[in-house]
Amino acid sequence: DTGVSQDPRHKITKRGQNVTFRCDPISEHNRLYWYRQTLGQGPEFLTYFQNEAQLEKSRLLSDRFSAERPKGSFSTLEIQRTEQGDSAMYLCASSLAGERYYGYTFGSGTRLTVV
Amino acid sequence: GENVEQHPSTLSVQEGDSAVIKCTYSDSASNYFPWYKQELGKGPQLIIDIRSNVGEKKDQRIAVTLNKTAKHFSLHITETQPEDSAVYFCAASGNDMRFGAGTRLTVKP
Repeated sequence: DTGVSQDPRHKITKRGQNVTFRCDPISEHNRLYWYRQTLGQGPEFLTYFQNEAQLEKSRLLSDRFSAERPKGSFSTLEIQRTEQGDSAMYLCASSLAGERYYGYTFGSGTRLTVV
Repeated sequence: GENVEQHPSTLSVQEGDSAVIKCTYSDSASNYFPWYKQELGKGPQLIIDIRSNVGEKKDQRIAVTLNKTAKHFSLHITETQPEDSAVYFCAASGNDMRFGAGTRLTVKP
């Protein structure tokens, strides 16, 4: 297992288009998190899954954002009708289940640029 | 919810010197405090963490201290090396994990 994988690494899209990102977590981790990071800031929590269940969503996750983890393995994050303010690095992380007291393993992120 | 403040935002030290980064948190329910290092173009990488039942933890040149009463914790890097140059984030986890805004550390050779 090579860690958390995210695809694509970079995405440039026109305003109003839809985009979808994929995250493959560490196989034995059943918690998966999505964070957003803008320049000069720390990661901001968006949502997390335990197995296939989406257990928590931040108010940052507007109705244009949707995340899924259909089989409890990989996850997708879709942004509909992208806006320039959506430009950011989208980070995925995974951890062991049961406790919040394990450090997360992050992927390298998907950098989204909306033009 | 949790609010994490991190200082300083930038830190420049000479190789071999020590570096200290400080964080405060607001939620007394937080009981897990990890530190992450982020290099350019990469995701944050966990470098050390501490749980609320411990006041200090050390791993080679890196140490973290926690004062639960004052709600602050610090990262200490001794004998800094140029490869320590990166952005460092603290985080606090209770009901969710919140990150500080980051400290850009530059180690000058």
